[in-house]
Amino acid sequence: GQQVMQIPQYQHVQEGEDFTTYCNSSTTLSNIQWYKQRPGGHPVFLIQLVKSGEVKKQKRLTFQFGEAKKNSSLHITATQTTDVGTYFCAGLARNTGNQFYFGTGTSLTVIP
Amino acid sequence: DGGITQSPKYLFRKEGQNVTLSCEQNLNHDAMYWYRQDPGQGLRLIYYSQIVNDFQKGDIAEGYSVSREKKESFPLTVTSAQKNPTAFYLCASTRGHLPPANYGYTFGSGTRLTVV
Repeated sequence: GQQVMQIPQYQHVQEGEDFTTYCNSSTTLSNIQWYKQRPGGHPVFLIQLVKSGEVKKQKRLTFQFGEAKKNSSLHITATQTTDVGTYFCAGLARNTGNQFYFGTGTSLTVIP
Repeated sequence: DGGITQSPKYLFRKEGQNVTLSCEQNLNHDAMYWYRQDPGQGLRLIYYSQIVNDFQKGDIAEGYSVSREKKESFPLTVTSAQKNPTAFYLCASTRGHLPPANYGYTFGSGTRLTVV
């Protein structure tokens, strides 16, 4: 079945360092969404990417959709303690109807 | 403010008992979803409903049941047939059949279920 994997599962960084999480799908995706879940909280939508090779930025966050639409990445520049949480991707495959499949998530810890 | 309300926040269940998790939304969203979250496994879809009185199984529906008698409500029952029910349960909703491009799924704050 559809699988969306994320790496790494955990990442500890010093405050000010950069962070990247990668999302890989076994099948071609139509869309990909990214969510952030703070510790003890619920996922909150960040962004959606649709086009091959698309790059979108939100302040220190850069989101990229691969040319083959099978992978995506989220890069955070100069992390801050407010970036702590788990980041999930969610992909919509072309042949699985209306169901988004969530990735396994990357838990980010920022050390002050 | 509109949103999704899940209750209770914490729930303890004895083995062999059925329990029902509540999910109510006042967003006038058509579609509602139940996800289960376990450490290291992301979010897995249990059931979803796109219209009242209709619902579909997700990837891990065994041991769970749902109903959608009202547009605003989508309760989830965890039955005694669910062998490993301890998890964080998240309810979500969307206006249409797919989460819109500008704000995605709207999630509730979750219910943490523990079997004792």
